[in-house]
Amino acid sequence: DIQMTQSPSSLSVSVGDRVTITCRASQSISTYLNWYQQKPGKAPKLLIYAASSLQSGVPSRFSGSGFGTDFTLTITGLQPEDFATYYCQRSSGSPHTYSSPHTFGQGTNVEIK
Amino acid sequence: QVQLVESGGGVVQPGRSLRLSCAASGITLSNYAMNWVRQAPGKGLEWVAVISYDGSNKYYADSVKGRFTISRDNSKNTLYLHMNSLRHEDTAVYYCARLNQGLLLPALDYWGQGTLVTVSS
Repeated sequence: DIQMTQSPSSLSVSVGDRVTITCRASQSISTYLNWYQQKPGKAPKLLIYAASSLQSGVPSRFSGSGFGTDFTLTITGLQPEDFATYYCQRSSGSPHTYSSPHTFGQGTNVEIK
Repeated sequence: QVQLVESGGGVVQPGRSLRLSCAASGITLSNYAMNWVRQAPGKGLEWVAVISYDGSNKYYADSVKGRFTISRDNSKNTLYLHMNSLRHEDTAVYYCARLNQGLLLPALDYWGQGTLVTVSS
């Protein structure tokens, strides 16, 4: 199975900072990569799908990039409401939707410095 | 608006069974594949299972394969997770989530609020 590895596991930043989180797949997944934000006690929220497409309603300070095995989530100008945990996920399109796991990375906790 | 509401969580002894439900409103569930995702206390997200829009295809994480069964009743607009032979390590908040295959590539775009399952003697 394909493994997803995020780095760093946590980082301390200030409002206004540029934040970069990376996600590495153990083998190529093309652009089958999604990013989610989760705040304490809340369900995850989809931010980015297909590696770089911004989900409707998500602020444009969030962006994603990458292809193959290496992916990046960037927050340009961190806002107070962005302190949260971020997860990457390998998605599986047809014909693999029902034949491979949709694995999450271990998460990156973005904390206030 | 779209709402997914999980229920059925609670405290259960190791080895016993439990059935979770996920009731949908604001969407026709039969148009979408659905997933279960769980999160152990203080831990990250773990994908659990996926089921196709009509229930004909399913896939499970290795950690639950053979013990958990995902199913759906489209006439009731409801998703289920049948959990057997529960273990301490199954303790988690369980989320249902819609798989939107109409995006450029599939992603989980709507999530329920989660239901807590605690496996304890």
